[in-house]
Amino acid sequence: KAGVTQTPRYLIKTRGQQVTLSCSPISGHRSVSWYQQTPGQGLQFLFEYFSETQRNKGNFPGRFSGRQFSNSRSEMNVSTLELGDSALYLCASSRTGELDEKLFFGSGTQLSVL
Amino acid sequence: AQSVSQHNHHVILSEAASLELGCNYSYGGTVNLFWYVQYPGQHLQLLLKYFSGDPLVKGIKGFEAEFIKSKFSFNLRKPSVQWSDTAEYFCAVNAYGSGNTGKLIFGQGTTLQVKP
Repeated sequence: KAGVTQTPRYLIKTRGQQVTLSCSPISGHRSVSWYQQTPGQGLQFLFEYFSETQRNKGNFPGRFSGRQFSNSRSEMNVSTLELGDSALYLCASSRTGELDEKLFFGSGTQLSVL
Repeated sequence: AQSVSQHNHHVILSEAASLELGCNYSYGGTVNLFWYVQYPGQHLQLLLKYFSGDPLVKGIKGFEAEFIKSKFSFNLRKPSVQWSDTAEYFCAVNAYGSGNTGKLIFGQGTTLQVKP
């Protein structure tokens, strides 16, 4: 079956703009998590959605937001982009998001903020 | 706050050498432990996981890890590495408790380079 699909693969934006990233989970998976990966900070948890509800949130400013649709697809939005938002944004899915479940990761969206 | 520390940032080995990557976590309660691997140009994928039971767990491609609760450690091992093991390795933890669904705390990662 198809894996986790993230679009677009690459994005270039300028400071102050906003951006929306998309994630389609594996069929049947209802939990979607988002992570930010940077060389300095590594992988950091942004938030997790299940059945269109945000269940869990990391320590990121309110400029980072997300949503999940009824088909489990998820989007994350970053408003008023800053240079420090340049990163690889990874989406991961699992059936329920429970602690003993393995996460399936997408290839990520590489965001560059100029 | 929970945290994960990986001891080595960059490891270079020759083929057939033995590998051990260190991982320590800080959390006093019950945890699930994972090692994920990211091969060049590929997405993150699970190498192995520990939830309970036998503290020595075996994963794919000949990797194994040992959970030592008293040391808060979950070190990854492989007796003989191959060139194809060149990748970045991440140790990760999630902790039992409310509000932790879908949330992994990752270490900084260890880049393994295997020379043929």
